[in-house]
Amino acid sequence: GAGVSQSPSNKVTEKGKDVELRCDPISGHTALYWYRQRLGQGLEFLIYFQGNSAPDKSGLPSDRFSAERTGESVSTLTIQRTQQEDSAVYLCASSLTFNEKLFFGSGTQLSVL
Amino acid sequence: RKEVEQDPGPFNVPEGATVAFNCTYSNSASQSFFWYRQDCRKEPKLLMSVYSSGNEDGRFTAQLNRASQYISLLIRDSKLSDSATYLCVADNYGQNFVFGPGTRLSVLP
Repeated sequence: GAGVSQSPSNKVTEKGKDVELRCDPISGHTALYWYRQRLGQGLEFLIYFQGNSAPDKSGLPSDRFSAERTGESVSTLTIQRTQQEDSAVYLCASSLTFNEKLFFGSGTQLSVL
Repeated sequence: RKEVEQDPGPFNVPEGATVAFNCTYSNSASQSFFWYRQDCRKEPKLLMSVYSSGNEDGRFTAQLNRASQYISLLIRDSKLSDSATYLCVADNYGQNFVFGPGTRLSVLP
């Protein structure tokens, strides 16, 4: 039963490598969100999905970031050619539908060396 | 101007005190509002939704003033376990949810 599941919980990578972060939302939740939280900072919106489409990609910081969602379920956030400033906790949340309360996963701590 | 602003804090209060947090939002079209709490190095967890008529959940009371675009959270009889960062959230209608920077609360014995 399940809540929102994210994997991996921790990822250490070298600068320049690509990383893929995964989010499994609560079953039946149609909306899925990605946020980034740097140490000691607030939540920064990245992207959200309604079903499999992403109406709002405005928060993606650069073209190195991309995300997709398939089967109205799992989503992956991909960061290409990682930089040290990408180091943060990446949080995924889902909601029953858009504008409903969000339920968060425990996040992926990304460290770029 | 930030879309959601909060008292910066930190708030340091003794156990049993009443503490109030304020939040303002810039998008007058926002429809959904929430308070979340975030413990250190943990994900945000929903504390309560905020309704136009105001709502209460035990020791917590939330109020919304649409005319002033202002949301508040009142915590009565604060407990040590209330120590956390409190996040105000408003929807950016048709786009996403915007989180405020958070207000840190420390309840002292």
